[in-house]
Amino acid sequence: QLQLQESGPGLVKPSETLSLTCTVSGGSISSSSYYWGWIRQPPGKGLEWIGSIYYSGSTYYNPSLKSRVTISVDTSKNQFSLKLSSVTAADTAVYYCARHDHSIAVAGTKAYFDYWGQGTLVTVSS
Amino acid sequence: QSVLTQPPSVSAAPGQKVTISCSGSSSNIGNNYVSWYQQLPGTAPKLLIYDNNKRPSGIPDRFSGSKSGTSATLGITGLQTGDEADYYCGTWDSSLSAAFGGGTKLTVL
Repeated sequence: QLQLQESGPGLVKPSETLSLTCTVSGGSISSSSYYWGWIRQPPGKGLEWIGSIYYSGSTYYNPSLKSRVTISVDTSKNQFSLKLSSVTAADTAVYYCARHDHSIAVAGTKAYFDYWGQGTLVTVSS
Repeated sequence: QSVLTQPPSVSAAPGQKVTISCSGSSSNIGNNYVSWYQQLPGTAPKLLIYDNNKRPSGIPDRFSGSKSGTSATLGITGLQTGDEADYYCGTWDSSLSAAFGGGTKLTVL
C-alpha cells in the first residue's frame, strides 16, 4: 500500500523559506503516469493546489504561487520536496503531499490525487 | 477565490439522497475530467470519484459522479451520519494547473 509522509519544521518565521519533504513508501516515485503534488489548507478553509512534479523533474505550479515555489524530486531517496519563499501569516496551513495521477485523453486532461499524506501544520509566526 | 463554485453547505436526513454541485467553465470542467474528495473532520482528503464518474476500489456505490457541460455533480444515496464531511470537487484548468472547489459541508440531520 502506497504511503506518503510529510516532514519539516512546524514553525517558520515571516519572510523566511518554508521547506517540507514528502517520503514515499510502498511504491516508486519513478512510476510513469504519476506526478507528485503539494496541496495546502489554511485553518478552516478549502484546499489549494501548490504544484506537482514528475520524477524527471518536469513541474506544474499554481500561477498564483509560482514566483515563490520550488518543487524538487530525489528519486534515490523516493522523496520530493517543497520550498516556499518569503512566507507570511497567509501561508499558515496544513500542507499535504499527494500522488497526482495525470494523463491526457481525447476528451481532456485527467488529473486527480489518489493517495495523500496525513498532512503537517506549518505556522508562520515570529 | 476558487475557479470552481460549490454550495457552502447542504443537509439531508439519514437514508435520504443529497447532491452537491460544482460549477466551472470551458477552461476547466468543460474540457477536462472531474474528481471528488471527502474530508472527514481532522483527516486528509480522500478520493471518492475520478474521471467524472469512476469510484476507486473500496468506495461504496452510494457515491456517484456525473458531468454535464461546465458543471459536475456528486450524489450520495442512503445517507449515513458517517458521511458528514466536507466535499471538494477538482479538475484541471487551461492555465496548466489543478483546481479545487471551495468545498461543501454536508450535514446529516
